[in-house]
Amino acid sequence: GAGVSQSPSNKVTEKGKDVELRCDPISGHTALYWYRQSLGQGLEFLIYFQGNSAPDKSGLPSDRFSAERTGGSVSTLTIQRTQQEDSAVYLCASSLAGPGEKLFFGSGTQLSVL
Amino acid sequence: TQLLEQSPQFLSIQEGENLTVYCNSSSVFSSLQWYRQEPGEGPVLLVTVVTGGEVKKLKRLTFQFGDARKDSSLHITAAQPGDTGLYLCAGVDSSYKLIFGSGTRLLVRP
Repeated sequence: GAGVSQSPSNKVTEKGKDVELRCDPISGHTALYWYRQSLGQGLEFLIYFQGNSAPDKSGLPSDRFSAERTGGSVSTLTIQRTQQEDSAVYLCASSLAGPGEKLFFGSGTQLSVL
Repeated sequence: TQLLEQSPQFLSIQEGENLTVYCNSSSVFSSLQWYRQEPGEGPVLLVTVVTGGEVKKLKRLTFQFGDARKDSSLHITAAQPGDTGLYLCAGVDSSYKLIFGSGTRLLVRP
């Protein structure tokens, strides 16, 4: 596609449920990033993929969070047993090669955990 | 852990005024990027600065990278309501991940 696509754009879930957030990067971009943004704040790094591999998973807040990328393209961020503090906007970005290059962001998934 | 601190956190000014936003760190970065984010959208890259002391201009926006590559500033001349948004600086840390500052929220009143 022309840009980074994220789905769903909004997700409301109950505490304790699992959620899956999807990211479709720009075609041909080998690097993919997940960030979390709380209301009006900066971006918190979660995980970065180079191809299908994640060199750095240190940003994942807990073992309830996991992410995978298949075929060097689509990525899924899964949050198990959601908690209220997981409520935030989850942003995905891609770049042509890797860190330091221009990031192209999706519009994000607004996650609300009730 | 390398951190990027931005100041001020919030700025409300009148159209036509000038302003400067700062991005500071105790660590050296190989490059710094500046992004602007509007409500409901992802951040959009404005500029990347690479060389210590580098100055880049983008219309009314002037970006400077500190000589020691630990800090950067964004100066806006004659701000317009269209400049309203969240300004974020970002740098690649020693683990090769792009980290972001806490952001400066700018409101330009007509």
